[in-house]
Amino acid sequence: QLQLQESGPGLVKPSETLSLTCAVSGGSISSTSYYWGWIRQPPGKGLEWIGSIYYSGSTYYNPSLNRRVTISADTSKNQFSLKLSSVTAADTAVYYCARHSSAMPYTQLDYWGQGTLVTVSS
Amino acid sequence: QSVLTQPPSASGTPGQRVTISCSGSSSNIGSYAVNWYQQLPGTAPKLLIYSNNQRPSGVPDRFSGSKSGTSASLAISGLQSEDEADYYCAAWDDSLNGWVFGGGTKLTVL
Repeated sequence: QLQLQESGPGLVKPSETLSLTCAVSGGSISSTSYYWGWIRQPPGKGLEWIGSIYYSGSTYYNPSLNRRVTISADTSKNQFSLKLSSVTAADTAVYYCARHSSAMPYTQLDYWGQGTLVTVSS
Repeated sequence: QSVLTQPPSASGTPGQRVTISCSGSSSNIGSYAVNWYQQLPGTAPKLLIYSNNQRPSGVPDRFSGSKSGTSASLAISGLQSEDEADYYCAAWDDSLNGWVFGGGTKLTVL
C-alpha cells in the first residue's frame, strides 16, 4: 500500500525558507508512471495546488507561487521536497504531498499524505 | 477567489439526495476531467470521483459525478451522517498550466 509522509519544521520565521520532505513508501518515485505533487490548505480555507514533479525533474508550478517555489526529487532516498522562499504569515498552512495517478500532471491526485502544519511566525 | 466556483454550503437530511455544483471555464472544466475530493474534519482530502464520473475502489455508489460543458456536479444519494464533510472540485487549467480547485462546499447532514 502506497504511503506518503510529510516532514519538516513546524515553525518558520518570516522571510526565511520553508523546507518540507515527502517520504514515499510502498512505491517508487522513480517509476515512470507517476507525477508527484504538493498542495496546501491555510487554516479554515480551501485547497491550493503548489506544484508537481516527475522523477526526471520535470516540474509544473502554480504561477502565483512560481518565483518562490522549488520542488525537487531524490530518487536515492525515494522522496521529494518542497522549498518555499521569503515566507510570510500568508504561507501558514497544512502542507500535503500527493501522487498523481499517471505520468501526466493533469491526472487526479489519488494518494495523499496526512499533512503537516507549518506556521510562519517570529 | 477560487478559479472554480462552488456553493460554500449545502445540507440535507438522512436519506435525501443532495447535489453540489462546480462552475469553471473553457480552459479548465471545459477541456479537462473534473475530480472531486472529500475532506472529513481533521483529515487529508480523499479522492471521491475522478474523470468526471468514475469512483475509485471503495467509494460507495451513492456518490456520482457528472459534467456538462464548463460545469460539473457531485450528487450524493441516500445521505448519511458520515457524509458530513467538505467537498472540493478540481481540474487542470490550460491557461495557468496547473491545477485549480473550487473553494469547497461544507455539507451538513441535518
